[in-house]
Amino acid sequence: EDQVTQSPEALRLQEGESSSLNCSYTVSGLRGLFWYRQDPGKGPEFLFTLYSAGEEKEKERLKATLTKKESFLHITAPKPEDSATYLCAVQARTGGSYIPTFGRGTSLIVHP
Amino acid sequence: EAQVTQNPRYLITVTGKKLTVTCSQNMNHEYMSWYRQDPGLGLRQIYYSMNVEVTDKGDVPEGYKVSRKEKRNFPLILESPSPNQTSLYFCASSSLRGGNYNEQFFGPGTRLTVL
Repeated sequence: EDQVTQSPEALRLQEGESSSLNCSYTVSGLRGLFWYRQDPGKGPEFLFTLYSAGEEKEKERLKATLTKKESFLHITAPKPEDSATYLCAVQARTGGSYIPTFGRGTSLIVHP
Repeated sequence: EAQVTQNPRYLITVTGKKLTVTCSQNMNHEYMSWYRQDPGLGLRQIYYSMNVEVTDKGDVPEGYKVSRKEKRNFPLILESPSPNQTSLYFCASSSLRGGNYNEQFFGPGTRLTVL
């Protein structure tokens, strides 16, 4: 069974205090790993897709990396507007399945 | 503007009263799906569709029905809602490439309460 575990569950940072969010996964063959941002009461918003170990992608203050067991979302010098829940999801190769597995998310609060 | 729309956004109903939540996308995406989001459980897929007239069960399909008669629309039907279906529902769509779906675009959500 595919599993995705995100840590920490919640993270409080001061503005400018860099940190990383973790997404550990267990899948029988990875097709893709996705990061989303979700603001309260809204639908998730796509951030990144990573396909193979060693791949990295950046967008403004965010950088996502991927290994064979986990992905990190690095947040450099965060601002209060980066406060949100960050979701990780994996798409596995198992039997042609198109059912993604989502982690429970990391709730990030950035204080000014 | 590329978007996924859902209606209604909020719905309070009673046990057993059939309801439909509509979902529409304007991006010509092949893949569409429904999720429910519950505290402590995260997003769980209910049903998905690879194209018109092609639907399949997700992780938690019990008590739900879907149809895909047009490419842009993917309604979620609860024929006899029960209180355990009280949740926040999201519709999503994605293009397909080489057998893989790309990033999903999510709708704004429908908050359903079943009394």
